[in-house]
Amino acid sequence: KAGVTQTPRYLIKTRGQQVTLSCSPISGHRSVSWYQQTPGQGLQFLFEYFSETQRNKGNFPGRFSGRQFSNSRSEMNVSTLELGDSALYLCASSLGGLAGSTDTQYFGPGTRLTVL
Amino acid sequence: GESVGLHLPTLSVQEGDNSIINCAYSNSASDYFIWYKQESGKGPQFIIDIRSNMDKRQGQRVTVLLNKTVKHLSLQIAATQPGDSAVYFCAEGGGSYIPTFGRGTSLIVHP
Repeated sequence: KAGVTQTPRYLIKTRGQQVTLSCSPISGHRSVSWYQQTPGQGLQFLFEYFSETQRNKGNFPGRFSGRQFSNSRSEMNVSTLELGDSALYLCASSLGGLAGSTDTQYFGPGTRLTVL
Repeated sequence: GESVGLHLPTLSVQEGDNSIINCAYSNSASDYFIWYKQESGKGPQFIIDIRSNMDKRQGQRVTVLLNKTVKHLSLQIAATQPGDSAVYFCAEGGGSYIPTFGRGTSLIVHP
């Protein structure tokens, strides 16, 4: 099976702009999670989508949003970019099935966002 | 690319040595644990997992040990190779769809 894919791999934006990142999960996986990774803060959970619904949310401002489509592909959007949004944005997919159970997450290569 | 290993604990070993990477987890209710490897410029890659009903699980050149009494997890890599150089993350889960990730340990293998 093909792994998790993310596009684009690299982005350079300026403060105040907005950006949309895309993630295609492993075939058959219905859960997609997004993470922000920086050297100082490590891996931080943004949100998780399952069956087109946001099921879990991390502690990020409303400028960070996402959605999931019927084919499980997901996008995340960051509006009004700030310098501190520069990071590696990772998408992970999992089967996402059993309630109260943690599935193994499989990560994509990430999108490197630089905000100038 | 930008390193994810900055500000992380670092383990330096010689090629051929065995490496042990440790992780303390926080939630005594966690019942599922995962180790990931992240090379520079790449996303985390699944290595091995273990459920709480086990104390040990072996993979190819890797072994995960779980001590639930002291909430400690370790990853042992046998005959460490330069290609093992990466940041290693442990993650814990249970009762939630989303695992909780540790800060990571940077493994440096010297030829």
